[in-house]
Amino acid sequence: QKEVEQNSGPLSVPEGAIASLNCTYSDRGSQSFFWYRQYSGKSPELIMSIYSNGDKEDGRFTAQLNKASQYVSLLIRDSQPSDSATYLCAVHNAGNMLTFGGGTRLMVKP
Amino acid sequence: DAGVIQSPRHEVTEMGQEVTLRCKPISGHNSLFWYRQTMMRGLELLIYFNNNVPIDDSGMPEDRFSAKMPNASFSTLKIQPSEPRDSAVYFCASSMTAANTEAFFGQGTRLTVV
Repeated sequence: QKEVEQNSGPLSVPEGAIASLNCTYSDRGSQSFFWYRQYSGKSPELIMSIYSNGDKEDGRFTAQLNKASQYVSLLIRDSQPSDSATYLCAVHNAGNMLTFGGGTRLMVKP
Repeated sequence: DAGVIQSPRHEVTEMGQEVTLRCKPISGHNSLFWYRQTMMRGLELLIYFNNNVPIDDSGMPEDRFSAKMPNASFSTLKIQPSEPRDSAVYFCASSMTAANTEAFFGQGTRLTVV
């Protein structure tokens, strides 16, 4: 079992819809969780961090964390074609290693 | 702040040659991570340093790979000898501390070994 799991997609949503991206992790000692966006040929860019259970909102993005279920999600409201990218979930495990999931490719269609 | 700086951006080398990738972390950041990204395996953590000390190198694929951090502002990842299967994009990232803080990536080095 991989430490951080994501559905590879592609996840296709129409412009203006809500995109929901999910991630599970295996290390119960993990304390911090991140979402990165990566455009093709570019480096990962940090878009959200979350450290405690519940929701955290930043503009059109909402990160959700449920430590009991070992589950992290990212919601993108009013999706735009410019949101089309690969979204990477990252987890700081108990050993302080920052481990990434395989990423979910999101396609927002005009 | 210039961000994490990596060099070179692209490297093409012949099998068997030594390759050295370089990274300058963000000033004031105490932790540095080296990652390798391929289509097949995604983003893999190779090694990370905290306060210039290697903490975990369990991701380094084999003895051909080595990494150093002689000071807080510079790190290298060396592959000797290089093989075609080492072809990938290598990223360096830094964060203020190893634990629970946000990591920022450099632009990466695209390595092609022919």
